[in-house]
Amino acid sequence: DAKTTQPPSMDCAEGRAANLPCNHSTISGNEYVYWYRQIHSQGPQYIIHGLKNNETNEMASLIITEDRKSSTLILPHATLRDTAVYYCIAPYTGNQFYFGTGTSLTVIP
Amino acid sequence: GAGVSQSPSNKVTEKGKDVELRCDPISGHTALYWYRQSLGQGLEFLIYFQGNSAPDKSGLPSDRFSAERTGGSVSTLTIQRTQQEDSAVYLCASSPDRLMGEKLFFGSGTQLSVL
Repeated sequence: DAKTTQPPSMDCAEGRAANLPCNHSTISGNEYVYWYRQIHSQGPQYIIHGLKNNETNEMASLIITEDRKSSTLILPHATLRDTAVYYCIAPYTGNQFYFGTGTSLTVIP
Repeated sequence: GAGVSQSPSNKVTEKGKDVELRCDPISGHTALYWYRQSLGQGLEFLIYFQGNSAPDKSGLPSDRFSAERTGGSVSTLTIQRTQQEDSAVYLCASSPDRLMGEKLFFGSGTQLSVL
């Protein structure tokens, strides 16, 4: 698997954009980048994934750098319910989804 | 429609006893994963099933752990001679296929406590 590196924790003010970075410098050309989040005491929830192009859905936007060595998950208007651990995953083709320790995001009122 | 269902939601057992944890994936999903999450830690991959292929057991921590998936649907994770370090939340996930761009759908987990 491509190794991913995320900051262990971040804070964000409610209503502001939360920008969560992820480094995946060893990613190969056919590996997608996935983002999941885990709210306390629940199973992880899929957020978004992408390969090369930026992606947007109803939950978030994903910005992938041109060299694909890093990406940023953007929550455009963070709410208190967005407080969670966010996982960035870059599984190798044909291999499994390995979750690291993620970024613990705290949205502050 | 129904999501991934896991049972029991909580299990308390004594050290040395065997336990079975059950996972009902979303109907039609061919891939099934088991993960373990200790308190305050990330998810630890245990085992992966894909259709009729041989499972990937590379994440099982010891031979006390085993899992099977009957009929390509329901899966059971068995832990024999449980130890206190087995205490954790055991999470099951399923996905539609192993094609690129698949999403995992997780159950709510089984909280296992070994006394």
